[in-house]
Amino acid sequence: AQSVAQPEDQVNVAEGNPLTVKCTYSVSGNPYLFWYVQYPNRGLQFLLKYITGDNLVKGSYGFEAEFNKSQTSFHLKKPSALVSDSALYFCAARTSEAGSARQLTFGSGTQLTVLP
Amino acid sequence: GAVVSQHPSWVICKSGTSVKIECRSLDFQATTMFWYRQFPKQSLMLMATSNEGSKATYEQGVEKDKFLINHASLTLSTLTVTSAHPEDSSFYICSASGLAGGSTGELFFGEGSRLTVL
Repeated sequence: AQSVAQPEDQVNVAEGNPLTVKCTYSVSGNPYLFWYVQYPNRGLQFLLKYITGDNLVKGSYGFEAEFNKSQTSFHLKKPSALVSDSALYFCAARTSEAGSARQLTFGSGTQLTVLP
Repeated sequence: GAVVSQHPSWVICKSGTSVKIECRSLDFQATTMFWYRQFPKQSLMLMATSNEGSKATYEQGVEKDKFLINHASLTLSTLTVTSAHPEDSSFYICSASGLAGGSTGELFFGEGSRLTVL
């Protein structure tokens, strides 16, 4: 069974400081990994994905994530946080195995608050 | 990127009535659509998976007679909450997967629908 863990319910960071939102996963075979962001009363917006290739993936709004196969992690990072980055962040995963179901398994979410 | 439109954004209804929520893929054909339910400050709970032209596959614990899902075309899926009760109040989100997402399965999400049952 697939699972995604986001160990931190809440992350606080000062504006201008680097931020990290942690994610670990468990899927069979090679994973497809995703980060989404959700603002209050809105749907999820896609940030970035890892499919194959370079372990460092760059996405929207200056976010990036690093795929670490040995640690089964896919942490989200940004060098300099903005107050407008404050939102709920979800990590998601699925297996790349052929014939597998296409639905994603989501982590529990991490509320990021960037303090001015 | 691909756009998924969800309507209505907000709906308030009386207990016992039925409410329909629409999910449309505007610029791609969605072979598969997913319906999620989200409680405040919690993750998304997958309710059901629908493939165009076939019956939806419901997750364990989701009442199929309560939450009717129809995916009659490649651009439209509907979720009908029948005989709604206050405990059905929640944020419902749809997502779609199709050619726009390629084989990697990127999902495109609607903006969500806030249902409040009085």
